[in-house]
Amino acid sequence: QSVLTQPPSVSGAPGQRVTISCTGSSSNIGAGYDVHWYQQLPGTAPKLLIYGNTNRPSGVPDRFSGSKSGSSASLTITGLQAEDAADYYCQSYDSNLSGPWVFGGGTKLTVL
Amino acid sequence: EVQLLESGGALVQPGGSLRLSCVASGFTFSTSAMGWVRQAPGKGLEWVSTITGRSLTYYAGSVKGRFTISRDNSKNTMHLQMNDLRAEDTALYYCAKDGGTYFFDNWGQGTQVTVSS
Repeated sequence: QSVLTQPPSVSGAPGQRVTISCTGSSSNIGAGYDVHWYQQLPGTAPKLLIYGNTNRPSGVPDRFSGSKSGSSASLTITGLQAEDAADYYCQSYDSNLSGPWVFGGGTKLTVL
Repeated sequence: EVQLLESGGALVQPGGSLRLSCVASGFTFSTSAMGWVRQAPGKGLEWVSTITGRSLTYYAGSVKGRFTISRDNSKNTMHLQMNDLRAEDTALYYCAKDGGTYFFDNWGQGTQVTVSS
């Protein structure tokens, strides 16, 4: 069981908008800690997609956006493209554990 | 350009040991926190361990007491000494650079560790 909860899968047609949720608790997201998102294309290493809840690293298209509210966060992808098919992971800090870095279980995005 | 190159993965028997290495380039290694994240076959990402620029260390509960993270700033290299390996340690181990506030902004390509008799 992951500390952060994500839906196992989401899907959308090209051009549509999809949202992936990440639900935490009072010891991580709800405590005010930042949420970060990673994209893992098939057979490749993870890549930082969003950091600090809403910030995109250089080179990440503005079709990707992040938000946070209370104990949850969301990743939204607009104008869905076939190349967005990947696994997406949220990550945050947890004050209850021996180490701060916690990941969600991951969400597989299928582009129909 | 940041580059992270892992090595040391192998097939090892249960109870055995392995030492993973990660050679870094393209940034100021000595002041950067670094970490290991693993991914079991068909599973999600699991944080394993992190070492700060000042060599403070952190471990996931599942590896605490068995794994030791270290760094050699003179060689821009991080290590993960893994002892008493178990089948559940089988995974692709990624080296990652901390982005400054508890996230990983650069990742290596990973090194495979398989624990099996």
